[in-house]
Amino acid sequence: AQKITQTQPGMFVQEKEAVTLDCTYDTSDPSYGLFWYKQPSSGEMIFLIYQGSYDQQNATEGRYSLNFQKARKSANLVISASQLGDSAMYFCAMREPERGNQFYFGTGTSLTVIP
Amino acid sequence: NAGVTQTPKFRILKIGQSMTLQCTQDMNHNYMYWYRQDPGMGLKLIYYSVGAGITDKGEVPNGYNVSRSTTEDFPLRLELAAPSQTSVYFCASSYSRQGTDGYTFGSGTRLTVV
Repeated sequence: AQKITQTQPGMFVQEKEAVTLDCTYDTSDPSYGLFWYKQPSSGEMIFLIYQGSYDQQNATEGRYSLNFQKARKSANLVISASQLGDSAMYFCAMREPERGNQFYFGTGTSLTVIP
Repeated sequence: NAGVTQTPKFRILKIGQSMTLQCTQDMNHNYMYWYRQDPGMGLKLIYYSVGAGITDKGEVPNGYNVSRSTTEDFPLRLELAAPSQTSVYFCASSYSRQGTDGYTFGSGTRLTVV
């Protein structure tokens, strides 16, 4: 079974609009971390936001927020007020501490911001 | 602050050749990882290390070897390169198993096997 599932291969959003990128995960570990990374066309991986499995509140970092629904095992990324520079691949990832702290990555969502 | 440094950035290998991808971090991180990213795909774990002298296989270890003689260095060795190893390779490190500590990634090595 896939640990991380991202069902949207590509998304388009109008500049200044909000967009939600979907992510579901699968784990039996009670303690885990959820991350979102941005990969622009230049190729580097940029950390955006983190949500711990025991966190009661949804994580926020500037224009990024994580809609964490633990019972549904979903961790959607919301980008508000999209900018042209947000065009990139976005990867959802899960860390399981009991497995050498390794991360499992989804297949990514390509976001294009339209002027 | 250099972070995670990978060399080389690009490399073309012929089938059957071997090479070592270098990875160095200066953050005193215990955990280090090698991932590969195939076109249009997410990252898959090749090998990881939880400290000097300790390494373990990830999801796709075949055709690769690693060593971790120091905290700073985690080289990835490709023996008998095959076209299936054409990929972008990322080295990453992290300090702890808990908390908000995500990975620090290197800038990647784009490898083509012809």
